[in-house]
Amino acid sequence: GDSVTQTEGLVTLTEGLPVMLNCTYQTIYSNAFLFWYVHYLNESPWLLLRSSTDNKRTEHQGFHATLHKSSSSFHLQKSSAQLSDSALYYCAFNNAGAKLTFGGGTRLTVRP
Amino acid sequence: GGIITQTPKFLIGQEGQKLTLKCQQNFNHDTMYWYRQDSGKGLRLIYYSITENDLQKGDLSEGYDASREKKSSFSLTVTSAQKNEMAVFLCASSISQITEVFFGKGTRLTVV
Repeated sequence: GDSVTQTEGLVTLTEGLPVMLNCTYQTIYSNAFLFWYVHYLNESPWLLLRSSTDNKRTEHQGFHATLHKSSSSFHLQKSSAQLSDSALYYCAFNNAGAKLTFGGGTRLTVRP
Repeated sequence: GGIITQTPKFLIGQEGQKLTLKCQQNFNHDTMYWYRQDSGKGLRLIYYSITENDLQKGDLSEGYDASREKKSSFSLTVTSAQKNEMAVFLCASSISQITEVFFGKGTRLTVV
């Protein structure tokens, strides 16, 4: 079945440094809808970014990601980390079926 | 906007007990989901439902039952709680399979 891999479980950064959270996926289907969700403590997870267009950069709230179907990747990036970016980030995949598959999550901690 | 309400917020059960978690949404969404959140394992799909009275098993359905009594509600039953089990259960809904998924704030389960 489909799977999503987030290689880093924990990422700790100093404020102002760039952020890159890795996400790769595996599927037998040609359709690929990729998402990044963010989960702040004591809140509900919410959608940060999504894309289904190959090689097109998508941006929201200072974060950006580009879906690369050739490498099955959808890495999340930000040029400069802020303290308020500390949260749990989930990459997710859907092939246009009902089942949304999540990765294991990456906990990002930004320190002063 | 809408909201997803999960009850209870905290649930403490005893080993072997049957426990029920409830979820209500007022988005008028067709699809609803139950995910289990464990540290390092991400969000794993337990059950989902694409319409009233529909049920589809996810990757983690063993040990759980679900019921979609009406469009706005989706309940999850832990059929026999396992000792020392601790997890957060997240309910979610969406218009369709490839659109944004909205989450509740979760029910935190502790089994003693």
